[in-house]
Amino acid sequence: AQSVTQPDIHITVSEGASLELRCNYSYGATPYLFWYVQSPGQGLQLLLKYFSGDTLVQGIKGFEAEFKRSQSSFNLRKPSVHWSDAAEYFCAVGARGYGGSQGNLIFGKGTKLSVKP
Amino acid sequence: KAGVTQTPRYLIKTRGQQVTLSCSPISGHRSVSWYQQTPGQGLQFLFEYFSETQRNKGNFPGRFSGRQFSNSRSEMNVSTLELGDSALYLCASSLGLADYNEQFFGPGTRLTVL
Repeated sequence: AQSVTQPDIHITVSEGASLELRCNYSYGATPYLFWYVQSPGQGLQLLLKYFSGDTLVQGIKGFEAEFKRSQSSFNLRKPSVHWSDAAEYFCAVGARGYGGSQGNLIFGKGTKLSVKP
Repeated sequence: KAGVTQTPRYLIKTRGQQVTLSCSPISGHRSVSWYQQTPGQGLQFLFEYFSETQRNKGNFPGRFSGRQFSNSRSEMNVSTLELGDSALYLCASSLGLADYNEQFFGPGTRLTVL
């Protein structure tokens, strides 16, 4: 069965420090991979996605993620964190070949990011 | 372009009642998916509608149902509410074409069951 694991429930980093959020997935083939961010009281916003090709993908707000097939990982990184990055981050996988179905994203439990001034 | 809108934003019901939540997708989007978000279970897929047809369904009991109208607006209904149905219900819309399209999420409806 497909699954997504985000090992870190809560991470605190200082403003200006680098950030890496971990994501591991279980899936029989290469899935579609996503990172979303959710601020309190808000819906989810897509940060970046991986479908195929270059394994290092760039997203919005200065985020990037690297797909590593051998490790079944899709870690999110940012070189310098800003206080406005404090939010909850979700990694998700989507199944390929679903007959065009767009739904059925499988989400990790999320990592809450706190930023110290 | 207006984003995904969900109404109402907050709802309080009692056990045994039923509830209907509404989602208006981005103009031109034909796929609407629903997710339940709880602290314990996280984000879980409920179902997806495309051109008024349910295209995919998650692992939820039959008390959870949905539908989509010809203008792509969608509703989900939960009957015989239980305390465990308290959650944030998120709707997402996308173009719904053959290749994977980005899903845009609404702000959610916060349902509290007393």
